[in-house]
Amino acid sequence: GQNIDQPTEMTATEGAIVQINCTYQTSGFNGLFWYQQHAGEAPTFLSYNVLDGLEEKGRFSSFLSRSKGYSYLLLKELQMKDSASYLCAVADSNYQLIWGAGTKLIIKP
Amino acid sequence: GAGVSQSPRYKVTKRGQDVALRCDPISGHVSLYWYRQALGQGPEFLTYFNYEAQQDKSGLPNDRFSAERPEGSISTLTIQRTEQRDSAMYRCASSRGVAGGPETQYFGPGTRLLVL
Repeated sequence: GQNIDQPTEMTATEGAIVQINCTYQTSGFNGLFWYQQHAGEAPTFLSYNVLDGLEEKGRFSSFLSRSKGYSYLLLKELQMKDSASYLCAVADSNYQLIWGAGTKLIIKP
Repeated sequence: GAGVSQSPRYKVTKRGQDVALRCDPISGHVSLYWYRQALGQGPEFLTYFNYEAQQDKSGLPNDRFSAERPEGSISTLTIQRTEQRDSAMYRCASSRGVAGGPETQYFGPGTRLLVL
């Protein structure tokens, strides 16, 4: 079967760094997406990885290891507005996105 | 338009009634997706289109659910004889190219459906 695993909830402090992990088992792999979703709003695109390694984009970075079926999203210099759910999604062999349940990130002052 | 739009934003209906949910994708986007999202969960795939052709409807829960995109732009998701278990957020997303490669999907605000 196809499976995406992420922690349900994480808590971090404003100004700190947090790493959100995602492990996957899918029928084929054509890249991994991270989306951010604020409560009551639509998911918005953050990053896409298809090759192993780290992709950096401002305060956010995303890492992929295809051999381990593993990715993480790294958020630096956390701000209160980063409080949201972070969704991991994998494009399978048919290029369909398989979505994780999301990780709710709570930022405390 | 500037983004994906959906209407209505909220729909309350009685069990047994039919509902039609509309999605207007980003202008020029070829691929259009329908998802259902429960609270605290990721999007659940329902169906998708390339232009006007429905490519995959394997995620539709049963034959009460149908979707169309007759002119390759606006799409309608129809739920016939609604049941309480159909209550959910229904989201539409669009992407630029033909879904033969992974593309960033842009989501609409969703339609919150409540079946009483």
